Amino acid sequence: ETGVTQTPRHLVMGMTNKKSLKCEQHLGHNAMYWYKQSAKKPLELMFVYNFKEQTENNSVPSRFSPECPNSSHLFLHLHTLQPEDSALYLCASSLWTGDGYTFGSGTRLTVV
Amino acid sequence: AQTVTQSQPEMSVQEAETVTLSCTYDTSESDYYLFWYKQPPSRQMILVIRQEAYKQQNATENRFSVNFQKAAKSFSLKISDSQLGDAAMYFCAYRRGENTGTASKLTFGTGTRLQVTL
Repeated sequence: ETGVTQTPRHLVMGMTNKKSLKCEQHLGHNAMYWYKQSAKKPLELMFVYNFKEQTENNSVPSRFSPECPNSSHLFLHLHTLQPEDSALYLCASSLWTGDGYTFGSGTRLTVV
Repeated sequence: AQTVTQSQPEMSVQEAETVTLSCTYDTSESDYYLFWYKQPPSRQMILVIRQEAYKQQNATENRFSVNFQKAAKSFSLKISDSQLGDAAMYFCAYRRGENTGTASKLTFGTGTRLQVTL
């Protein structure tokens, strides 16, 4: 158990579907992040939340909609996705310091 | 913008031997942190080692150590006495210092896949 839990572990969705990814941490961290990991590309930062407030949106298309109801939970709502959005989506959390992140095991998303 | 470069897509090492993974980065900041993360097939990213830029001493964690060359902007990872469980993707990452007033996001390299052979 890493301390950061992501569900579901795998997700297959059609381009017209709406789904949500969930991330939960009980480490007392105050910052949470969404990253996209595609093959042969660096991890791409998508969103940053600090104390529930979004502090960064890295030019992510509007078909990805994050939600952070509290410091322990983070969601990524998906709608009208494209096949190129298929990737591993990683959630992470940290204190607002120079510490490293704690990552979840990711959601493997396939858009068909 | 900060960039992190890992020039070795794949590396191989025999069990019990030593291997060094390379990483270079580009930044104009003086206050920052560098990390090595390991991602095994389970997909979970695991922090291996962390280095503060203001420290001259190289960080060490058991069989893992770094060679931090600040002037050259180089941050290599040495794995000693390699074990089968070390096989994974290794990512180098950069994070600005917390006093810069910006979000402390991690910037990653493209990774190096390490194979460990018998």
